Amino acid sequence: RKEVEQDPGPFNVPEGATVAFNCTYSNSASQSFFWYRQDCRKEPKLLMSVYSSGNEDGRFTAQLNRASQYISLLIRDSKLSDSATYLCVSRNSGYALNFGKGTSLLVTP
Amino acid sequence: NAGVTQTPKFQVLKTGQSMTLQCAQDMNHEYMSWYRQDPGMGLRLIHYSVGAGITDQGEVPNGYNVSRSTTEDFPLRLLSAAPSQTSVYFCASSYSGGDEQFFGPGTRLTVL
Repeated sequence: RKEVEQDPGPFNVPEGATVAFNCTYSNSASQSFFWYRQDCRKEPKLLMSVYSSGNEDGRFTAQLNRASQYISLLIRDSKLSDSATYLCVSRNSGYALNFGKGTSLLVTP
Repeated sequence: NAGVTQTPKFQVLKTGQSMTLQCAQDMNHEYMSWYRQDPGMGLRLIHYSVGAGITDQGEVPNGYNVSRSTTEDFPLRLLSAAPSQTSVYFCASSYSGGDEQFFGPGTRLTVL
């Protein structure tokens, strides 16, 4: 069982819609959390870190619930360019990152 | 800055052949790592390094060797390629362990 679990989707949403992804992590000692974005046949790139108090970056909002061990990403006013795979990531006490398998998003006109 | 570079972009090997995947970064990052990405499996850590001369194993190290003689370079060696090593390989670096990791463009490897 992977340390980070995500619904693979795909999520198909129309432009302008709000979409939310959740992921769960199994290691209660995990210290840091991130969302990475990966376009088709490209490398992953950091979208945003996830802080305990929740954080927002433009149309993107990330939240962390340590009690339930889940992380969420909310995308408002979806754009065609948001179509990608979103990777949920945790880090334990060391250096290694634990990647979820990714959630695929397709935003349609 | 070029960031993280990887060569080659594509490679086809026959079973039993050996090869080295190259990775270099020009950001003076201490931390470097190698991942493989397979359909339905996500990214899995192969080996990582926290500085020149220091390497350690990740989740799936078997069949791979690494060394870190300089801060800039972190090559990944396949000792005797197997079809199970067909994958996309990403190299990544970061300033420190908890920071953003920057990924290279990847090497697509097929082992026949």
